[in-house]
Amino acid sequence: EPEVTQTPSHQVTQMGQEVILRCVPISNHLYFYWYRQILGQKVEFLVSFYNNEISEKSEIFDDQFSVERPDGSNFTLKIRSTKLEDSAMYFCASSPGLAGDNEQFFGPGTRLTVL
Amino acid sequence: AQKVTQAQTEISVVEKEDVTLDCVYETRDTTYYLFWYKQPPSGELVFLIRRNSFDEQNEISGRYSWNFQKSTSSFNFTITASQVVDSAVYFCALSEESSGTYKYIFGTGTRLKVLA
Repeated sequence: EPEVTQTPSHQVTQMGQEVILRCVPISNHLYFYWYRQILGQKVEFLVSFYNNEISEKSEIFDDQFSVERPDGSNFTLKIRSTKLEDSAMYFCASSPGLAGDNEQFFGPGTRLTVL
Repeated sequence: AQKVTQAQTEISVVEKEDVTLDCVYETRDTTYYLFWYKQPPSGELVFLIRRNSFDEQNEISGRYSWNFQKSTSSFNFTITASQVVDSAVYFCALSEESSGTYKYIFGTGTRLKVLA
């Protein structure tokens, strides 16, 4: 069964460093998402992406964040200069189409630790 | 504003007890979708169920059942004869159209501890 994959599973970085979190969505899906979950808290929407552009972004998704689909298969989240408060689990998700009942398929997550 | 409330932060039950996890939502849309996810200690999100706003039929899947009541904006989840393996954090989520895509809005989760 096709699944969303994310790499790495765990990333440790120093404050101020750039990180790139990678996701490979399911191949025929058109809509892509990033969510964040700070330890012990709820899962929060960061950004949605369709047709090579951002559809919507949350307040969390400030100028330090960017997303890209560089080669038609990968979907990346870049944090330009990490802060301690960026430490969280980051989930990528993809869905096949626009209608709301097109379930979003979540990847296993990347745990980011900023020291 | 769209919102999902899971008022129960943590529930502890003894194995074989039944337990119900509450979820109340707010939305302005007439078309929306509701979900439950399980998050075990390993951290991944495990999809459990999806319901659309036009289908108020309750659903049962093995030991799991869901009660969707539009009149009270609730989508509650019951585990019958709970087992230790059910211990996890359970999230309720609402999906509705926003800026052309369907983002999920999650509740704060309910941590379920099933004691042997």
